[in-house]
Amino acid sequence: TQLLEQSPQFLSIQEGENLTVYCNSSSVFSSLQWYRQEPGEGPVLLVTVVTGGEVKKLKRLTFQFGDARKDSSLHITAAQPGDTGLYLCAARQGFQKLVFGTGTRLLVSP
Amino acid sequence: DVKVTQSSRYLVKRTGEKVFLECVQDMDHENMFWYRQDPGLGLRLIYFSYDVKMKEKGDIPEGYSVSREKKERFSLILESASTNQTSMYLCASSLPGGVGELFFGEGSRLTVL
Repeated sequence: TQLLEQSPQFLSIQEGENLTVYCNSSSVFSSLQWYRQEPGEGPVLLVTVVTGGEVKKLKRLTFQFGDARKDSSLHITAAQPGDTGLYLCAARQGFQKLVFGTGTRLLVSP
Repeated sequence: DVKVTQSSRYLVKRTGEKVFLECVQDMDHENMFWYRQDPGLGLRLIYFSYDVKMKEKGDIPEGYSVSREKKERFSLILESASTNQTSMYLCASSLPGGVGELFFGEGSRLTVL
């Protein structure tokens, strides 16, 4: 059983569209991270959210941690081809372990 | 510039062969991790190490072992490769505790024939 479920699994949109990616769990987490992985590269950290209800913005990307700290969302405004990649949420399990979600593959076409 | 380096980007091995995947980090991080990445499954943790000569099983350790003789180096070993171990393998490192960031290598794509 996957601890973190992401939806949608795949998203193909046109440049300029908005989109939201979801990361859901039945467990409560102390923190949650979002990573982006581009083809041929390892994942790179975008943001860490710690407080229930927290909202963080990174240029056109808005990240929200659910009030109950069981879920998170990533909203991209006016998507660009450079946003193409695999988006992964990750949550801390125990002291040192990071568990990853199933991933959302985003393709933004010009 | 901080870096995690995986020794091989692409490997092709035959069933039953012993496979070594090497990972080196230059950030003096205590923690190191091996994940495998498969479509639709995200990243799944195989093993991690929080200190030299220390190791902990992750979620899918069966068929794998690890070695950490030096702080900067963490090796993943497939004693007898099988076709279901065909995957992308990612090494990562981090500082201990808290909500620290994982720094990843570029990955090693292993194909077992």
